[in-house]
Amino acid sequence: GQNIDQPTEMTATEGAIVQINCTYQTSGFNGLFWYQQHAGEAPTFLSYNVLDGLEEKGRFSSFLSRSKGYSYLLLKELQMKDSASYLCAVRESGSNYQLIWGAGTKLIIKP
Amino acid sequence: EPEVTQTPSHQVTQMGQEVILRCVPISNHLYFYWYRQILGQKVEFLVSFYNNEISEKSEIFDDQFSVERPDGSNFTLKIRSTKLEDSAMYFCASSLDGTGASYEQYFGPGTRLTVT
Repeated sequence: GQNIDQPTEMTATEGAIVQINCTYQTSGFNGLFWYQQHAGEAPTFLSYNVLDGLEEKGRFSSFLSRSKGYSYLLLKELQMKDSASYLCAVRESGSNYQLIWGAGTKLIIKP
Repeated sequence: EPEVTQTPSHQVTQMGQEVILRCVPISNHLYFYWYRQILGQKVEFLVSFYNNEISEKSEIFDDQFSVERPDGSNFTLKIRSTKLEDSAMYFCASSLDGTGASYEQYFGPGTRLTVT
């Protein structure tokens, strides 16, 4: 079956670094996405990984290990505006379009 | 910056009524999607649409649902006979590429559907 696991909630301090983990069990794999979603708003794209390794994009980086079914999103120099939910989504092999979504990790930034 | 728009932002309807949710994808995008998110729950894929036909749909997208691109700009989701459990935020998204190795889906602001 399909399963995507993320921690429900995390707390971090402004200026610090936080790592949000995602593990997945899906029918094959054809890419992993991270989205940010502020409360009451639409998800916005952060990153995409399809090969093993680290993708860096400014303050945000995303890592993938396909053999372990594991990804993480690393946020550096945290700002108060980073308080949001972070959603991990996987595209299965054999599917071009459908994303399977995790429940999201609510990140709370404290001053 | 181009964006996906959706109307209305909030729709209240009675159980059994038909609703049409409207979306205007980004103009040069070719792939369109509908998702829903029940309050406090995860985002769920409903359907994808390309070249004027459905390319994939989930188990949620049953006979009560239909999609249409009535003209060159609008993309609609119709629910024929709404049920209480259809209450959710419905997001439309579009992407330039659908079958490439990577693609970014741009989401609209959503329509909150409340069925009473």
